[in-house]
Amino acid sequence: DAGVTQSPTHLIKTRGQQVTLRCSPISGHKSVSWYQQVLGQGPQFIFQYYEKEERGRGNFPDRFSARQFPNYSSELNVNALLLGDSALYLCASSPGGLAWETQYFGPGTRLLVL
Amino acid sequence: GESVGLHLPTLSVQEGDNSIINCAYSNSASDYFIWYKQESGKGPQFIIDIRSNMDKRQGQRVTVLLNKTVKHLSLQIAATQPGDSAVYFCAENSAGGTSYGKLTFGQGTILTVHP
Repeated sequence: DAGVTQSPTHLIKTRGQQVTLRCSPISGHKSVSWYQQVLGQGPQFIFQYYEKEERGRGNFPDRFSARQFPNYSSELNVNALLLGDSALYLCASSPGGLAWETQYFGPGTRLLVL
Repeated sequence: GESVGLHLPTLSVQEGDNSIINCAYSNSASDYFIWYKQESGKGPQFIIDIRSNMDKRQGQRVTVLLNKTVKHLSLQIAATQPGDSAVYFCAENSAGGTSYGKLTFGQGTILTVHP
């Protein structure tokens, strides 16, 4: 079975631009979470979506938004990019998005903002 | 606030040795803990998890120990192999006040295994 997939793998943008990252969860998983991982640190929680509804949001500005589609895939959008947005963006899926469920991560999208 | 931290940022071992990676957490309401392995250029890979109603859980070559009294978590890797070289993260998933999964990660420990 395929794991979590993300696209694109790498992306280069300039300050002020907008970016859209995509994620497809493991088949049968209805919840997708997004994390930002800055170099040298652990991932930080951005959003969780379940059944197209936002369940939780981390400490990120409104420039970050996301949505989930009927097929449970998800997009993360970041507007007005800043240099500090350069990071590895990780998507994780779980069956129901519950606190005691294992989250399985994709390979990530590496974003570089120049 | 919630935080999960690691005592040792780097660990070097010889192939065949046992490795122990430690982690401290601060949120006493956390009831689910996970260890992930992250290789260069890849996403975190699930290794093993443990619920707060357990003290120990074993997998293939790995054991996780949970000490709720001192809020300490450890990952033991038996007969460490070069392929185990990676960054290891502990993460907590606190259900306190919420029912959704929000992982809080530590900084990570770099494990290097020398042949």
